[in-house]
Amino acid sequence: GQQVMQIPQYQHVQEGEDFTTYCNSSTTLSNIQWYKQRPGGHPVFLIQLVKSGEVKKQKRLTFQFGEAKKNSSLHITATQTTDVGTYFCAEMEYGNKLVFGAGTILRVKS
Amino acid sequence: GAGVSQSPRYKVAKRGQDVALRCDPISGHVSLFWYQQALGQGPEFLTYFQNEAQLDKSGLPSDRFFAERPEGSVSTLKIQRTQQEDSAVYLCASSLVGPGVRIYEQYFGPGTRLTVT
Repeated sequence: GQQVMQIPQYQHVQEGEDFTTYCNSSTTLSNIQWYKQRPGGHPVFLIQLVKSGEVKKQKRLTFQFGEAKKNSSLHITATQTTDVGTYFCAEMEYGNKLVFGAGTILRVKS
Repeated sequence: GAGVSQSPRYKVAKRGQDVALRCDPISGHVSLFWYQQALGQGPEFLTYFQNEAQLDKSGLPSDRFFAERPEGSVSTLKIQRTQQEDSAVYLCASSLVGPGVRIYEQYFGPGTRLTVT
């Protein structure tokens, strides 16, 4: 089935620095969703992207969907300690099941 | 309002025991999903229900895994003759579908952490 690859696996940043995680696929994605999972918590929906080249912003978070719909990114400006967690991208396949990437773990040093 | 709830939150089973994990989805959510999350990995799809119908069980790893949702609300994931490789967090999620729904956000429960010794 479809696989989404996420990089980097892990990133440790100083508070105030920016952070970006990337999601890539060898085939065209019908859509991409992003979830955040805090340590010890469960995935929480952040956003859904559907259109080629789509860009959406949520405060300090910027989400992009590539023109070819084969990649997506999540960028956080000026990270805060509350941003700590694992960020997953996921494609929603037929039947609405989600196929998740392996996630990027973000640690923020204050 | 109440979110998705799961019980028990933690379960320790001896190898060979049967376990049953419960999920209470958000009221009115038609779709219900089970995922398995191994340590350090993303959730992996197990099975999907729309109301009481199990529409996809392609992710169940073996015939020891069985899920049901008899009345279209509460769901139970049963694992028979547990093995050590079954140790993981089992996540349940529900979502709203229907005319006019364009964002298929899934709401996850807190999960059940299963440890097989």
